[in-house]
Amino acid sequence: SAVISQKPSRDICQRGTSLTIQCQVDSQVTMMFWYRQQPGQSLTLIATANQGSEATYESGFVIDKFPISRPNLTFSTLTVSNMSPEDSSIYLCSVQGAQYEQYFGPGTRLTVT
Amino acid sequence: GQNIDQPTEMTATEGAIVQINCTYQTSGFNGLFWYQQHAGEAPTFLSYNVLDGLEEKGRFSSFLSRSKGYSYLLLKELQMKDSASYLCADNSGNTPLVFGKGTRLSVIA
Repeated sequence: SAVISQKPSRDICQRGTSLTIQCQVDSQVTMMFWYRQQPGQSLTLIATANQGSEATYESGFVIDKFPISRPNLTFSTLTVSNMSPEDSSIYLCSVQGAQYEQYFGPGTRLTVT
Repeated sequence: GQNIDQPTEMTATEGAIVQINCTYQTSGFNGLFWYQQHAGEAPTFLSYNVLDGLEEKGRFSSFLSRSKGYSYLLLKELQMKDSASYLCADNSGNTPLVFGKGTRLSVIA
């Protein structure tokens, strides 16, 4: 399985600001995803981070609000822009393994005040 | 489309056996996954079934029936540390997993 790290592990941000979350994988992976998990809820897919091209967003998520970069096969960033308290959540990076299983980073706990 | 259903909460006694069910409806089904998630932590991969039948892995086993769109996770000899959410997820090939809402299991003494 891949070893995935995320930075920061947690942050408290003010309304209207932006935060960029980094995800680093210890091996090259083709498929990398970003999920959000709000308190007491299950995982919601935000987007698939495509290497060398624009991310593929799920319904309800847009590039202006959640811009994603994927400069190479081991790294991606997710930015949460113009934050509001509703963006308070855990943001998780995930990569796909050989049998389509997914492995998750430790998550970034974001609180917006 | 993909529609995954699993119970919201379950409670079981330490040392007992518990079965967590999951039903799914998906086109292009490629496999059924189970994850464990402790409060405040990321989900961890438990098992993967692509063929019908039971896969055993220590105290945890997972079963799949493709014709019925049904899976279950069986936890034996329950321990307090098994208290967690258990997420069922399906896959349609080279696409991200779609997760159910999760079953919150409480193990009591």
